[in-house]
Amino acid sequence: DAKTTQPNSMESNEEEPVHLPCNHSTISGTDYIHWYRQLPSQGPEYVIHGLTSNVNNRMASLAIAEDRKSSTLILHRATLRDAAVYYCILRDENSGGSNYKLTFGKGTLLTVNP
Amino acid sequence: GAGVSQSPSNKVTEKGKDVELRCDPISGHTALYWYRQSLGQGLEFLIYFQGNSAPDKSGLPSDRFSAERTGGSVSTLTIQRTQQEDSAVYLCASRERLVNTEAFFGQGTRLTVV
Repeated sequence: DAKTTQPNSMESNEEEPVHLPCNHSTISGTDYIHWYRQLPSQGPEYVIHGLTSNVNNRMASLAIAEDRKSSTLILHRATLRDAAVYYCILRDENSGGSNYKLTFGKGTLLTVNP
Repeated sequence: GAGVSQSPSNKVTEKGKDVELRCDPISGHTALYWYRQSLGQGLEFLIYFQGNSAPDKSGLPSDRFSAERTGGSVSTLTIQRTQQEDSAVYLCASRERLVNTEAFFGQGTRLTVV
């Protein structure tokens, strides 16, 4: 899987928007961008994924740069419950063979201040 | 509906003993993954199953580690002759299919080798 780069940590205030960046300059044309988050003492949970177009769901929005070399996960109004480690992962969903694992990096630790 | 279930939630074992960790995936999910997360670290891929087959077991740290899946459902991860460095949270995830679907993680089994 192609490599991603994320800041180690970010801080936000409750009820303010949060923009979590991810750089993936070596992304290939068939790599999907996935975001997962891991709350304290829990397993990771899926947040959102996309390929080229921006995506919205009930949890967040994903803004993908036109050249796809970077993306931003947007939490529109941060809550205390959003404090977690956020992982940006690339996966070639069209790959055959055995390359089906999700490779997690270190992620971004998001702290939300009340 | 029920999510991914792992048991036990906590396991303390003596060095040198064998342990078995169990994962019950979401019903109907064909893909199943095992990860390991040491304290303060990211997720380390161990193995994945498609049905009962394990096309990629490249992440298993040594031949003391093995995993099987039966009936396309329950999976067990076995660690023989446990060592202190095996202490970690072992996470299981399942996906409906191998491609373009989200992964659902269990709460993990915290293994402590004393």
